[in-house]
Amino acid sequence: QVQLVQSGAEVKKPGDSVKLSCKASGYSFITFGITWVRQAPGQGLEWMGWINAYNGNTNFAEKFQDRISMTTDSATTTGYMELTSLTSHDTAVYYCARDAHFGGEGYFDFWGQGTLVTVAS
Amino acid sequence: DIVLTQSPGTLSLSPGERATLSCRASQSVSSGYLAWYQHKSGQAPRLLIYDAFNRATGIPDRFSGSGSGTDFTLTISRLEPEDFAVYYCHQYGSSPGTFGQGTKVEFK
Repeated sequence: QVQLVQSGAEVKKPGDSVKLSCKASGYSFITFGITWVRQAPGQGLEWMGWINAYNGNTNFAEKFQDRISMTTDSATTTGYMELTSLTSHDTAVYYCARDAHFGGEGYFDFWGQGTLVTVAS
Repeated sequence: DIVLTQSPGTLSLSPGERATLSCRASQSVSSGYLAWYQHKSGQAPRLLIYDAFNRATGIPDRFSGSGSGTDFTLTISRLEPEDFAVYYCHQYGSSPGTFGQGTKVEFK
């Protein structure tokens, strides 16, 4: 069965970077992209960006363009998302999800369990 | 960016009742590319409906989606206790994909 298992909770200081992982199993990894979505406390879901696991193409939300990167490792079927220059506003639960459209910009049919990132001084 | 507005913000209902959730887009959603997700606290969101009306694998038929253009609806025909959660709509017809702010279905 399809599973996405995310790395554990992180506590960071303002200005730090965080790199989260998302281990995929149960499907052909390079056939689907991985998207990252976050939810700040008391807020809704926010799309951050997407990576094509086949060729590494990415598409990021404009608000994160200058401080986000995404990579994948097909050998370990793992996706990564790194966010730099963290502030308290980045405190959120971060989810990875499988994008059902090969070229991205699709719906998200399987989700990871989420990783809580807390940014505090 | 397309703005999705969900209504109502909170729906107070009892098990067995019908729930009707609305999602209105600021402009037409291309190809009817709209999905609905169920989200319970502490859990991963769960895909319910994609392409406006297609049920995802394993989703009970009490969940149905309808609509096109700018107006979409998620209907839960008879609420089960496990259906009390927050529901989000998501459009992926235009880049960037965007989410509504959510509708909470709570026990009356």
